[in-house]
Amino acid sequence: AQSVTQPDIHITVSEGASLELRCNYSYGATPYLFWYVQSPGQGLQLLLKYFSGDTLVQGIKGFEAEFKRSQSSFNLRKPSVHWSDAAEYFCAVGPYNFNKFYFGSGTKLNVKP
Amino acid sequence: DVKVTQSSRYLVKRTGEKVFLECVQDMDHENMFWYRQDPGLGLRLIYFSYDVKMKEKGDIPEGYSVSREKKERFSLILESASTNQTSMYLCASSPRGVDSGNTIYFGEGSWLTVV
Repeated sequence: AQSVTQPDIHITVSEGASLELRCNYSYGATPYLFWYVQSPGQGLQLLLKYFSGDTLVQGIKGFEAEFKRSQSSFNLRKPSVHWSDAAEYFCAVGPYNFNKFYFGSGTKLNVKP
Repeated sequence: DVKVTQSSRYLVKRTGEKVFLECVQDMDHENMFWYRQDPGLGLRLIYFSYDVKMKEKGDIPEGYSVSREKKERFSLILESASTNQTSMYLCASSPRGVDSGNTIYFGEGSWLTVV
């Protein structure tokens, strides 16, 4: 079965600290992977995506993610968190034709001053 | 910039009413989607459409139907709204197929409360 697991429902980090949000997927074909961010009451904004090639991908707002096929993971990282990063983050996996994407349940990030 | 517009941000409807949620995209995308978002459950796909008049059920289609008469417009219909359909509804669109520049674009969401 296809699925995405984000094991951390809530994470709190101090401003300036590093961040890693976990994402594990189960997918029967070549995965196309995404991280999205959602601010309260808003739609989802793309942070970064992995289709092929270099397994470390850079995104907007200083985020990066690493695709590890052997671990079926696509973890999101940021070296130094800013208060404006407080939001909910979603990992997603989908097929080459871009239909039927599977989303994780999300991780809510709180940032302490 | 790609724009996905959901016509209603906030709606309050009564149980049993027929509800229409409208979505328009301006980038000539083939694919359009309706997701439902609930706390702790993430986004769940209700229906998607890969072309005009074409649709496929997602994971939770029960109680919903869709219409795509024009490429840019994808409507979600609740034939008889129930309280368990109170939720945030997200429309999205994407090109068909993998290309380095492709992704899924989301609207800002429609908050539906059924009383």
